[in-house]
Amino acid sequence: AIQMTQSPSSLSASVGDRVTFTCRASQGIGNDLAWFQQKPGKAPKLLIFSASSLQSGVPSRFSGSGSGTDFTLTISSLQPEDFATYYCLQDYNYPRTFGQGTKVENK
Amino acid sequence: QVQLQQWGAGLLKPSETLSLTCAVYGGSFRGYYWSWIRQPPGKGLEWIGEINHSGNTNYNPSLKSRVTMSVDTSKNQFSLKLTSATAADTAVYYCARELSHWGQGTLVTVSS
Repeated sequence: AIQMTQSPSSLSASVGDRVTFTCRASQGIGNDLAWFQQKPGKAPKLLIFSASSLQSGVPSRFSGSGSGTDFTLTISSLQPEDFATYYCLQDYNYPRTFGQGTKVENK
Repeated sequence: QVQLQQWGAGLLKPSETLSLTCAVYGGSFRGYYWSWIRQPPGKGLEWIGEINHSGNTNYNPSLKSRVTMSVDTSKNQFSLKLTSATAADTAVYYCARELSHWGQGTLVTVSS
C-alpha cells in the first residue's frame, strides 16, 4: 500500500496567517490526491481533489498544489473556522490511504 | 442535495459481527462508488472499502478477510459487515459517496 506522510503533525498559527502543510507519497501518484478538513465530532469535509481542484463551496483561501510524490495545502489567510485537522488521501490505487493528519491549533 | 444517513448497532461483544447500513437520499445511486471509512477514537482515518450499484467491490487488504459490502438498489442503501470484531475495531464508522459526501458517522464499540 502507498504510504502517505503529512508534516508537520501539528502547527500553531494565528488568524490571518498564511499556513502551508505537506503530504508526501511513498511512490508517485500523479495528481490523484485529495485534502480533507475535519473538526471534532464531525465527518471529514472534502476541500481539494485532483491535487489542486477546489471542491464546490470551499472558500478560495484554500489551495492545493503538487504532483508525483509531494503535495501542499495552503490556507492563504487563516480564519477562525479553519482550526481543525487536515488529512490527505491518495486515490491513485487501492487501497486508498490517508495521511496521519495535521492539526492546526490557535497560537 | 445528496444526504447519507447511516445506522447500526453501537455496542458489540468480541467475536460478534459489526453491521452498518447507509441510506442515500437525493441524487443518483448509480454511477458512483459508495465507501466505508473508519476512525478509531483520537486517531486517523482508515479506508475500509467501496462498492458500486452493480455490487463491484474494492476492499482494504488489511480487512478483506472479514469485510463484506452489499447494495440494495431498490432502497438506495448499502451495507457493511465486519466479522469477528475485536477491540481494535472500535471506531467511528463513516459511509461516503466517493469521499465527497459523508454520513454522520456511527460510533461502534467492541467490548466484553
